[in-house]
Amino acid sequence: EVLLVESGGGLVQPGGSLRLSCAASGFSFSDSYMSWVRQSPRRGLEWVANMNQDGSFKDYVHSVKGRFTISRDNAKNSLFLQMSSLSVEDTAVYYCAIGGNYWASWGQGTLVTVSS
Amino acid sequence: IVLTQSPVTLSLSPGERATLSCRASQPISTNFLAWYQQKPGQAPRLLIYGASSRATGIPDRFSGSGSGTDFSLTISSLEPEDFAVYYCQHHGYSPLNFGGGTKVEIK
Repeated sequence: EVLLVESGGGLVQPGGSLRLSCAASGFSFSDSYMSWVRQSPRRGLEWVANMNQDGSFKDYVHSVKGRFTISRDNAKNSLFLQMSSLSVEDTAVYYCAIGGNYWASWGQGTLVTVSS
Repeated sequence: IVLTQSPVTLSLSPGERATLSCRASQPISTNFLAWYQQKPGQAPRLLIYGASSRATGIPDRFSGSGSGTDFSLTISSLEPEDFAVYYCQHHGYSPLNFGGGTKVEIK
């Protein structure tokens, strides 16, 4: 069974940083493109970043470029999202998902709240 | 590419046919258009990709069609579990935008 479990969300002040993790199991993680997608009442569903199998290609939505970094550890079947210079606009549920351009499997999400 | 979904809310009864629309601000190449279903408290679930290909395990009452700038998701006969929010998403190139969603509610 495919399983994606996100962690690392929480409350952070504007300008702060947070690192999200996604533990993957039940499929060949090292052969899979992976993505982060977020959802908020204000912005709806929004693709955030994706990364190819060996990490040599990464892409980001314009609004997070230079602030967020996607990375992976294929030996540990894990995906990460390092977020810095957070603003209230980044408040959302962050999902880890399998795929680069569309997503057949998603985690349950982790809530990031940016507030003073 | 900006995706506009209509209607915002669709009120129907079980057994009825649902037709949801997704219009793109510019033509979507090679019909790279996906549809998702989302229920409260759950992650989105992929229904359709490539405009008309059903994802694994999706019942055949769900079908996608369209090309260029106009796409549709049809649910041939609504089951009780189909009442949810539906999103379209273009998957051709970055940024991979979503539409604003259509809520299918019980009439």
